[in-house]
Amino acid sequence: EPEVTQTPSHQVTQMGQEVILRCVPISNHLYFYWYRQILGQKVEFLVSFYNNEISEKSEIFDDQFSVERPDGSNFTLKIRSTKLEDSAMYFCASSEPRSSNTQYFGPGTRLTVL
Amino acid sequence: GENVEQHPSTLSVQEGDSAVIKCTYSDSASNYFPWYKQELGKGPQLIIDIRSNVGEKKDQRIAVTLNKTAKHFSLHITETQPEDSAVYFCAATLSFNQAGTALIFGKGTTLSVSS
Repeated sequence: EPEVTQTPSHQVTQMGQEVILRCVPISNHLYFYWYRQILGQKVEFLVSFYNNEISEKSEIFDDQFSVERPDGSNFTLKIRSTKLEDSAMYFCASSEPRSSNTQYFGPGTRLTVL
Repeated sequence: GENVEQHPSTLSVQEGDSAVIKCTYSDSASNYFPWYKQELGKGPQLIIDIRSNVGEKKDQRIAVTLNKTAKHFSLHITETQPEDSAVYFCAATLSFNQAGTALIFGKGTTLSVSS
């Protein structure tokens, strides 16, 4: 069964450093998403992406964040200058364009900012 | 914006019992309500979903009910098994037929099934 994959599974970084989280969505899906989950809190929407453009973004997704589809398979989330409060689990998801907005999630990347 | 509340935060049942998890939402325009199961170390996995044009949907031991008037929806798991132990999340979204729309999640329910 096709699935969303994410790398790395765990990323440790120093405050102020840039990080790039990588995702490979399901191959025939065209919509891509990033969510995050701070420990003990809700899963929160960050951004959705379609046709090389951001479709929707939340208030969390400020200028420190960016997304990119650098090639035909990868989808990345970049945090330019990490803060302590960016420590969280980051989930990538993808969906087909004609489905009921059914989103399939990857296993997540745990980001720890020291 | 939409807000989703989920109860209870933890639920412990004996194997074979039923488990019910309830969610309420605030935006009456929301029309798609998926449920996800998250096992330790894994991402959320879709287990069942319901659209606002139906009141109930069932898939083997799992069912979801929706009350649009009261703006709440529930997950029902019958004949629980130890492998049902996980964190369950409800979610709501404004557009079931348009990809790219944010899912708004509840805080999750940790279900423990003891044998």
